[in-house]
Amino acid sequence: DAMVIQNPRYQVTQFGKPVTLSCSQTLNHNVMYWYQQKSSQAPKLLFHYYDKDFNNEADTPDNFQSRRPNTSFCFLDIRSPGLGDAAMYLCATSREPTYQRGYNEQFFGPGTRLTVL
Amino acid sequence: QKEVEQNSGPLSVPEGAIASLNCTYSDRGSQSFFWYRQYSGKSPELIMSIYSNGDKEDGRFTAQLNKASQYVSLLIRDSQPSDSATYLCAVDNYGQNFVFGPGTRLSVLP
Repeated sequence: DAMVIQNPRYQVTQFGKPVTLSCSQTLNHNVMYWYQQKSSQAPKLLFHYYDKDFNNEADTPDNFQSRRPNTSFCFLDIRSPGLGDAAMYLCATSREPTYQRGYNEQFFGPGTRLTVL
Repeated sequence: QKEVEQNSGPLSVPEGAIASLNCTYSDRGSQSFFWYRQYSGKSPELIMSIYSNGDKEDGRFTAQLNKASQYVSLLIRDSQPSDSATYLCAVDNYGQNFVFGPGTRLSVLP
């Protein structure tokens, strides 16, 4: 089955220790997104890639970076995690960007729950 | 400020009843509207997308869109305890990104 896969499902890191979260997709979608979701809150978009074009949200801290080495994979790097970065990190994909009606449905991976000690 | 608003709930309905979930949005230029279901500790799952005014039905789910009133709703017929979850409304923001509402917690009582 075509899907969005995230690894690891649970990640524990220490305050200030860099961490990388991974996302892969077999849907062959052009767009990949990273969201942060804290408890009882809506998902918050951090950034997205449309093919190789990187789009950063204005309020995404510099501490968060992303890489997309190919169509299938996208990584979220947190350079110096703080306690406030503990959250669920969601990767999503869509066939086309949000302005393409009918092709902009986003499909989410299972998420990675990050704990910062 | 472009916003999507939902009642946070919890909305409680008895098993077999119709659950009605509502969402309003502020950006008149929005063209795409989505409902996601999210179980506790899980990721959002797409239930329905709607792009045109009117109703769209898929099994027990019906999405309703009224662009003039800037209102989108989701009806769940014959509600089941397994429908208990948080329902997120998402609206495209002039093609820039999606804006998610805060979600409505639905509880279906056996």
